[in-house]
Order: sequence, then C-alpha cells, then structure tokens
Amino acid sequence: GAGVSQSPSNKVTEKGKDVELRCDPISGHTALYWYRQSLGQGLEFLIYFQGNSAPDKSGLPSDRFSAERTGGSVSTLTIQRTQQEDSAVYLCASSPGPRSTEAFFGQGTRLTVV
Amino acid sequence: GESVGLHLPTLSVQEGDNSIINCAYSNSASDYFIWYKQESGKGPQFIIDIRSNMDKRQGQRVTVLLNKTVKHLSLQIAATQPGDSAVYFCAENSGGSNYKLTFGKGTLLTVNP
Repeated sequence: GAGVSQSPSNKVTEKGKDVELRCDPISGHTALYWYRQSLGQGLEFLIYFQGNSAPDKSGLPSDRFSAERTGGSVSTLTIQRTQQEDSAVYLCASSPGPRSTEAFFGQGTRLTVV
Repeated sequence: GESVGLHLPTLSVQEGDNSIINCAYSNSASDYFIWYKQESGKGPQFIIDIRSNMDKRQGQRVTVLLNKTVKHLSLQIAATQPGDSAVYFCAENSGGSNYKLTFGKGTLLTVNP
C-alpha cells in the first residue's frame, strides 16, 4: 500500500501472554520507528532502525520488549509476559532516511492487557 | 536528560482566530525541530519543520518560530479552522549520528465554531 500499515489494529490479551505487533513501512524507507502512546500522553520512543545499522534500542522499557526488522522492511515488536501497564497504542513510523524529518505514521495498534 | 516539552497542555480558540502553540526544548545539538498534528484515532502527521540555523519558516497558514537563545519553538496557525482541532506535538531530530525523532507531550487545540 501507499502508507504505513500496522496490524492488528486492536489487540486484547490476557496478562502474562506474549503479543506480536507488525509494521509494514512505506517501500524504500530506510528508517523505521516504534513509539508507544498512552491515553492522552505524548509519544514515547521505543526503538529505531536505520538501514543495516544496529538499532537504537534505548527506549525499550524492559527486557520483555524486543523488535526485529527483517530484510530492511517489515518490523515486528514483541512484548513478552504482558502487563497491564503495557496497555497503550503502539505506533510505527517510517521515513526515507536518517536525516528526514518527515516520518509517516501508521494508524497504530491499540493494545489492551486485561 | 534531553527532553522536549510544552508550556500549555490545552488551547481553545474561536474559529478564525490565530493560534499559537509553544514548546520548550533542551537539546541544543538537534538539527531540526518539527511540528506534527494528530487527529483523534490517527497517527501523527507532519506539518512543518525548521532547521536549527533558521529562526522562522512559513508554510500554508502555519509559521514556525525558533528562538535558540531561550530554546523555544512555536507554531502559529492563521485563521484557525475547526479542522485544525487536534493534538500538536513538537519534535526534534537529534543531532550527531543518531537522528531519531523525539516528541514532546503535545498540546490539545480545540477550535470553537
């Protein structure tokens, strides 16, 4: 598609379960970001991929969070042993390159941990 | 640590008035400062950016001002319309080898008809 696609759009999971969130960036974009947005809050940086460079994982809140980007395209954010405080909207964005200020965001995945 | 924050969490204006949304930043090394708009239920959308060596940039109905002396960024929206109602985030593109985007907390702009 023309934009950033995220799936699922909504996910309800039980506390303690693992979840995988998927992001399909815009074709050709080398930079990919994951952010977390709690209700009424700003965007909390999680992880940043740029080309073949080692990802910047400095925003991951705990070792339960991990992310991969296969083939420089699709990315998966995995949360293990989910907790209620993980409930949030997880936003993915891509941009043409590392110096681009215009990031294109997906609609997000709303994660609810019950 | 480095941060980007906002002075006002909410702003309510009348349709047709001009709006000014403010932001403070602390990372002097950032190359760019950017404004994003987020409508309800959607991801943020790029509005306008400004390079750190500039102090003003204009777009369509929007103007961004950068005051590096006091580390302050503002977004001015002319003739505000109901469709401008959204949360506005300032962001910075961190300098150095890591260009990740760091966002502030956002300001909710409500335009009253």
